Amino acid sequence: DTEVTQTPKHLVMGMTNKKSLKCEQHMGHRAMYWYKQKAKKPPELMFVYSYEKLSINESVPSRFSPECPNSSLLNLHLHALQPEDSALYLCASSQVESNYGYTFGSGTRLTVV
Amino acid sequence: ELKVEQNPLFLSMQEGKNYTIYCNYSTTSDRLYWYRQDPGKSLESLFVLLSNGAVKQEGRLMASLDTKARLSTLHITAAVHDLSATYFCAVDIGNFNKFYFGSGTKLNVKP
Repeated sequence: DTEVTQTPKHLVMGMTNKKSLKCEQHMGHRAMYWYKQKAKKPPELMFVYSYEKLSINESVPSRFSPECPNSSLLNLHLHALQPEDSALYLCASSQVESNYGYTFGSGTRLTVV
Repeated sequence: ELKVEQNPLFLSMQEGKNYTIYCNYSTTSDRLYWYRQDPGKSLESLFVLLSNGAVKQEGRLMASLDTKARLSTLHITAAVHDLSATYFCAVDIGNFNKFYFGSGTKLNVKP
């Protein structure tokens, strides 16, 4: 299995909702990442987990809460989002000190209304 | 803070032509990656360049890395419409698995 699977593919949520994005990989990768990508912009790093521990938080607002319950799963919990948080959210994984770059998931297209 | 600059940002070219996309970065690194992204889709890994002078080729695309000049190029030979996409370079300076992405080059190949 050489894929990173993200669910759901599309999500529309209100500003008072709580939702979660899920990411799963079975490649034995021990580093996992959340990126946010706005239209026509490069991906922006949000969080890095290394060996299931949060190693980088790029000053992301607390309405985004990551969780890594085990080495194969990564969640992003969403609460009280703003319309400007609408974006493509990409999960990626890699070996911890890999030379081979990331494997990206197909993304979740999030719309906040 | 590492800066990664790509140029051009937009590239419109005819099928059959050649062109080069440039990726400059501001600090020492010997690991550079090229990704392709189709509209609304995820990023697909194209090339991994891990040393000075590295050259990789796949089909009509060829990527190279000059770590002394802090420059990578993505050369397109005899472009075809299917190559239309946005191309990103990304630099890894070994800082806790943190990539720095360039701004992307949107390539449009016209039939």
